[in-house]
Amino acid sequence: KAGVTQTPRYLIKTRGQQVTLSCSPISGHRSVSWYQQTPGQGLQFLFEYFSETQRNKGNFPGRFSGRQFSNSRSEMNVSTLELGDSALYLCASSLYLVSPLSEQYFGPGTRLTVT
Amino acid sequence: GDSVTQMEGPVTLSEEAFLTINCTYTATGYPSLFWYVQYPGEGLQLLLKATKADDKGSNKGFEATYRKETTSFHLEKGSVQVSDSAVYFCALSDHGNTGKLIFGQGTTLQVKP
Repeated sequence: KAGVTQTPRYLIKTRGQQVTLSCSPISGHRSVSWYQQTPGQGLQFLFEYFSETQRNKGNFPGRFSGRQFSNSRSEMNVSTLELGDSALYLCASSLYLVSPLSEQYFGPGTRLTVT
Repeated sequence: GDSVTQMEGPVTLSEEAFLTINCTYTATGYPSLFWYVQYPGEGLQLLLKATKADDKGSNKGFEATYRKETTSFHLEKGSVQVSDSAVYFCALSDHGNTGKLIFGQGTTLQVKP
């Protein structure tokens, strides 16, 4: 079974631009969560989607948004990029609406660099 | 709010040495606890988990016991290998219907031959 895939793997953008990152969950998984990983702040939760609905949102500005499609694929968008948005963005999928008993599987991440 | 604190790294050990990475947590409810591992250039992999007090999670020679009285979930391995070199994250999630994981800062482990 294929794992969680994220595209693109690497991205370089300029301040002020916007970016869209994509995540394809493991086949059959219906829940997708996004995390931002930076050296200073560590791993921080962005959002969680289940059945095309956002179920939970982390403490990030409105420039960060996401969505989930009917095939469970998810995208996140960051508008008006700032230098501080440079990070590794990780996507995780799980079979059900996530509970502690439903394991999350992480993708390899998208490395975003903002210059 | 809920939080996780890990011992600062990097931790450098010789092959076959004993490993302990300390993790303590603060949570209002009864969280589940996890250890994830991240190898260079990769995403996170679940190493082990425990969902209630006194549970012991184990995998690939690693162990951790959920200690409610000390709010701890320390990771241990009796004999580390060079291939164990990675970043280790302790995390918690509450028992609500949410996928939100709260992670510690991560501890880098370097094992030398």
